[in-house]
Amino acid sequence: QKEVEQNSGPLSVPEGAIASLNCTYSDRVSQSFFWYRQYSGKSPELIMSIYSNGDKEDGRFTAQLNKASQYVSLLIRDSQPSDSATYLCAVSKIIFGSGTRLSIRP
Amino acid sequence: DTGVSQDPRHKITKRGQNVTFRCDPISEHNRLYWYRQTLGQGPEFLTYFQNEAQLEKSRLLSDRFSAERPKGSFSTLEIQRTEQGDSAMYLCASSRDRGNTGELFFGEGSRLTVL
Repeated sequence: QKEVEQNSGPLSVPEGAIASLNCTYSDRVSQSFFWYRQYSGKSPELIMSIYSNGDKEDGRFTAQLNKASQYVSLLIRDSQPSDSATYLCAVSKIIFGSGTRLSIRP
Repeated sequence: DTGVSQDPRHKITKRGQNVTFRCDPISEHNRLYWYRQTLGQGPEFLTYFQNEAQLEKSRLLSDRFSAERPKGSFSTLEIQRTEQGDSAMYLCASSRDRGNTGELFFGEGSRLTVL
């Protein structure tokens, strides 16, 4: 079992809709969780960090964490074509998932 | 430019040769990380430094790989006797020392192709 699991996608979402990205992790004692966006040919950039159970909102992005279920998600509201990228879930700073490719169709 | 810089951006080498990559972190960041990323995969952790001390190394870091961060500033990652399987993007990132919290800032990466 991989330490951080993500659906590889591609996930296709119409422009203006909500994109929902999911991630599960195996280490129950993990304390810090991150979502990174990576455009093709570019380096990852941080979108959201979350450390406690519940929701954390930042603009169009909402991260959700459920430690009991070992599950973290990222919601993107009012999806834009510029949101088309690979989204990487990371647990602590050193364990990354393989990423979910998101495509926003106009 | 005050971001993380990596050099060279691209390196093509023949199997068996040694290569070295350099990373200059953001100046006030005392943590520096190295990752390897292949197509369709997320970054795989290789090692990290806090100041000049190398605190953790991944099992991926075979004895052909060595990393240094003299004086706690820039870092180098050397791969000896390169193999075709070493072909990947090598990413460097830095952060402030905030335990497991805090943002990683990535460089643009050094792409290695081993022929």
